[in-house]
Order: sequence, then structure tokens, then C-alpha cells
Amino acid sequence: SQLAEENSWALSVHEGESVTVNCSYKTSITALQWYRQKSGKGPAQLILIRSNEREKRNGRLRATLDTSSQSSSLSITATRCEDTAVYFCAANVGDNSKLIWGLGTSLVVNP
Amino acid sequence: DPKIIQKPKYLVAVTGSEKILICEQYLGHNAMYWYRQSAKKPLEFMFSYSYQKLMDNQTASSRFQPQSSKKNHLDLQITALKPDDSATYFCASSPGQANTGQLYFGEGSKLTVL
Repeated sequence: SQLAEENSWALSVHEGESVTVNCSYKTSITALQWYRQKSGKGPAQLILIRSNEREKRNGRLRATLDTSSQSSSLSITATRCEDTAVYFCAANVGDNSKLIWGLGTSLVVNP
Repeated sequence: DPKIIQKPKYLVAVTGSEKILICEQYLGHNAMYWYRQSAKKPLEFMFSYSYQKLMDNQTASSRFQPQSSKKNHLDLQITALKPDDSATYFCASSPGQANTGQLYFGEGSKLTVL
């Protein structure tokens, strides 16, 4: 069964707008990562937020983590066309050498 | 320049044949991984290696065999190919021994089995 999932399949915004992608997970985690995958490329990490952190920022990106509700969000402000991609959350679970991935949310930023 | 090189980028194979996917990383990382991405499914962890030793194997089928000839190489041999093996296979690496931090991915090898 899927342990991590984003809450929307697809989002569409106009350039300059803000957007938030949400993720929920179903087990205890040590960290939650957000990745972005552009067409024809491999995923690239955006933010890693550890279980004892509540918020992490990286430029226009802001990730939050709520361990009580087992959810995380990734917010992008002042979106650009180049932010068009699929966004994944991925959960670090225990000491296992693997990440549990969500299905991804497709974001399209229109000019 | 890509720091993780995967070859080939695209390949087509017939059912029952064998293929090898090549991965070389130039990030100086000690841990390497294979992931599979299929349509409508989450990215799926397959293997992890650390210092050329198998750390974790989540692939049920022995038809998938990783091969590490050098510290920065982790190839994936797939035998007796089936149409269900059609997917994009990603190689990844990380600085640490375990997958507790950032993963760096290659651009993938898209396999189509007819």
C-alpha cells in the first residue's frame, strides 16, 4: 500500500501566483522530502524536512511538516513557467535505505 | 554536465531477451540505487548499494540483478524480459551510507518490452 501521497493529481496556475501541494503519509517517518521532476529528467530534491522540524525554506519554496496529522505541504510563491513539473513527496521511514514515494502532483504554470 | 550518466536513454527489447542498463556517477558518492518508474505508480525502490555491497533489495524477481564493477558504477541486468518490465529505470546516488538524505538521480533509461 502507498505510504505517502500527494492530495491532488494536477494543479494549474498562472505565472506569479502562489500554489501549494499537499502530502499525507501513513506511518512514522524520520524525514519528508520534496522532489521535482521535469519532463524527461530524473527527480531533483527541493527540500528535506526532518521529523523534528516544522518548516523549511529554499528560496521561493516553503515546506511544512505536521507530524501529528501526518501531513506536509510545499508552497511555491511567485511561480514561473519553469516551475512546471511533477512534484513528489517522499518519506524516509526508519533505518531502511529506501524512500516511500507519492504518485506526484502535476503542476502547470501558464504564462 | 550530468553527474550521473545512464545509458541507454531509450531501449526497446523483445519479450524473453536480456538487457543491461548502465549507470556511472561522478559525484564521489558511496551509495547508489536503482528505482523504477511506471505509469500510474509511485517511484519504486529496487536496490541500494553502499561501497559496492548490496544493502537492500526490494525487488521480488531474481531477473533483476545489479552489478557493481567499480565504486561509481551500478549497472542493472534484466533477464527474461516481460512487457510488465516496461518502465523508466532511474539510477541514483547519495553521499551517505543509508538513504537518509538527498538522492541525486540520473535522467533515466526508458525500457519498452514488446
